[in-house]
Amino acid sequence: EAQVTQNPRYLITVTGKKLTVTCSQNMNHEYMSWYRQDPGLGLRQIYYSMNVEVTDKGDVPEGYKVSRKEKRNFPLILESPSPNQTSLYFCASSLDSPDEYSPLHFGNGTRLTVT
Amino acid sequence: RKEVEQDPGPFNVPEGATVAFNCTYSNSASQSFFWYRQDCRKEPKLLMSVYSSGNEDGRFTAQLNRASQYISLLIRDSKLSDSATYLCAVTPGGYQKVTFGIGTKLQVIP
Repeated sequence: EAQVTQNPRYLITVTGKKLTVTCSQNMNHEYMSWYRQDPGLGLRQIYYSMNVEVTDKGDVPEGYKVSRKEKRNFPLILESPSPNQTSLYFCASSLDSPDEYSPLHFGNGTRLTVT
Repeated sequence: RKEVEQDPGPFNVPEGATVAFNCTYSNSASQSFFWYRQDCRKEPKLLMSVYSSGNEDGRFTAQLNRASQYISLLIRDSKLSDSATYLCAVTPGGYQKVTFGIGTKLQVIP
């Protein structure tokens, strides 16, 4: 089944403890991206990647890192999580640069709580 | 001004009604447009891409108005199962980003 898989689904951690949220897609998609979703603010893009070893900042990259060493994987790294990073995170991918013929497909989300 | 703006609602409509949502975008160079559906705490799912000439998928019709910089979604014969949040999304021209509106919540009532 074609899908974007994120892990874990739920994560509770403490301030400053490094964590990684994994994202993997099995559709041979070139483009991958991370979003966070907060009430009243909607989905905001954190980072995106057009291809292996090519990553770029989205609208809210502060406090996050990503890597794209393999085409299928795009982990999101929080080196020193803070409570303001408590959010619902989504990974998404598309065949190529997103357009009407190559829309984004989302993973099922990771709910992160930082205390 | 926000890049993509939507009325958050909620829109409460009776079953069988026709409902329309608009979404405005600020960048006149925007190239691609989408409607996504999101159920509570779930991932957004693509409802339809919006083509320049407009497009229809069953009870759903999407339109693009470049002159006034908005896209619209029309839902005919609303079903209870249409209750969800509808997100519009836009790719600003020249950038490999997809920017989302905050979503419009629809509640279809019996």
